[in-house]
Amino acid sequence: DIVMTQSPDSLAVSLGERATINCKSNQSVFYSSSNKNYLAWYQHKPGQPPKLLIYWASTRESGVPDRFSGSGSGTDFTLTISSLQAEDVAVYYCQQYYNPPHTFGQGTKLEIK
Amino acid sequence: EVQLVQSGAEVKKPGESLKISCYSSGYSFTKYWIGWVRQMPGKGLEWMGILYPDDSDTRYSPSFQGRVTISADKSISTAYLQLSSLQASDTAMYYCARMTKIVGSGSSGWFGPWGQGTLVTVSS
Repeated sequence: DIVMTQSPDSLAVSLGERATINCKSNQSVFYSSSNKNYLAWYQHKPGQPPKLLIYWASTRESGVPDRFSGSGSGTDFTLTISSLQAEDVAVYYCQQYYNPPHTFGQGTKLEIK
Repeated sequence: EVQLVQSGAEVKKPGESLKISCYSSGYSFTKYWIGWVRQMPGKGLEWMGILYPDDSDTRYSPSFQGRVTISADKSISTAYLQLSSLQASDTAMYYCARMTKIVGSGSSGWFGPWGQGTLVTVSS
């Protein structure tokens, strides 16, 4: 199985400031034949199902605010929230879909400082 | 609109079996992989497995292989997750989700949308 490791486990950021969450895989999730990274990001708020934010490592899902962005390639990826809003408090997960099982990272809990 | 609606919360005793359902609407049910994800209390998301309803091709996580069964009834656009010999450690929220279709990438894809979740409590 591909192991996904996120850092940090938790993060407190002031409103309006930048939040950065990292995700590292123990093997590359870049598929050379398609030139794409098989990596997604989700936001999970209490009492709700997870919500897809980013796929292909950097493509924002329709309707997701542009303050959310994804970057990285191969084994190292980053989710950035450019200006934290109160509604962004949640747990964030990365997921690789390169090979089943499509493993998730352990999650990063984002709070307001 | 694509929607996935799961069956309601369950309370079971250790040793019992359970089958929870996920009804899909708004798309061609047989042409998209559908998967299940577990979230134990206070823990993260765990990918359990996926099923392609058209031919019942199924992929399980090794962590769940042999303990769970994923199936579907194409006639009613419903996927199922069956858990047998329940233990207290099976207490969790279980989510179904549609996996997006990636042309030429077989069983790869991200999840979205998701069902609302089914809370399973196993207690004597």
